[in-house]
Amino acid sequence: AQSVSQHNHHVILSEAASLELGCNYSYGGTVNLFWYVQYPGQHLQLLLKYFSGDPLVKGIKGFEAEFIKSKFSFNLRKPSVQWSDTAEYFCAVNAAGTYKYIFGTGTRLKVLA
Amino acid sequence: GAVVSQHPSWVICKSGTSVKIECRSLDFQATTMFWYRQFPKQSLMLMATSNEGSKATYEQGVEKDKFLINHASLTLSTLTVTSAHPEDSSFYICSARDSRTTEDEQFFGPGTRLTVL
Repeated sequence: AQSVSQHNHHVILSEAASLELGCNYSYGGTVNLFWYVQYPGQHLQLLLKYFSGDPLVKGIKGFEAEFIKSKFSFNLRKPSVQWSDTAEYFCAVNAAGTYKYIFGTGTRLKVLA
Repeated sequence: GAVVSQHPSWVICKSGTSVKIECRSLDFQATTMFWYRQFPKQSLMLMATSNEGSKATYEQGVEKDKFLINHASLTLSTLTVTSAHPEDSSFYICSARDSRTTEDEQFFGPGTRLTVL
């Protein structure tokens, strides 16, 4: 069965610090990968997605993620976080050709001003 | 484009009553919609896949008779929580897949917070 692990449950950073959130999945076939952000009191927003091609994916708000197939990972990065990045971040995976998403447990990021 | 709405955004009901939540794709057609449940400080758990014109597919452990899903049109799916109890209190989120594309991306609604007293 597919599963998604986000190892960092809570992360606290100061503004301008660099961010890396881990995401690992278990599935042997071709996958599509997503990172979503949920700001307090708001709905899920897509940060970036990977379907195929360049494994380094750039998303909105300065975020990027790198798909490393050999490590089954899709870590999210941002060189310099801002206070407004305080939110919960979810990694999601689906097996290509299926519509079912499997979400990770989420990482709650707090950025101190 | 690709906007999904949910109604209501929040609802409070008494134990034993039924509550209907609507999910609409506003600017695209969705033959497939999905219903998730999110407990406080937890991730989204897929409850069921809603297919236009046919029966929904429920995930293991989700009671079909408890959570009734109807996908009567290409832009609307409804989730009815029947005989609601306090343990059904949760954040319910729907998503929809654009039928025009072959991509697997889902677009998420803003969610409905259900509180059962």
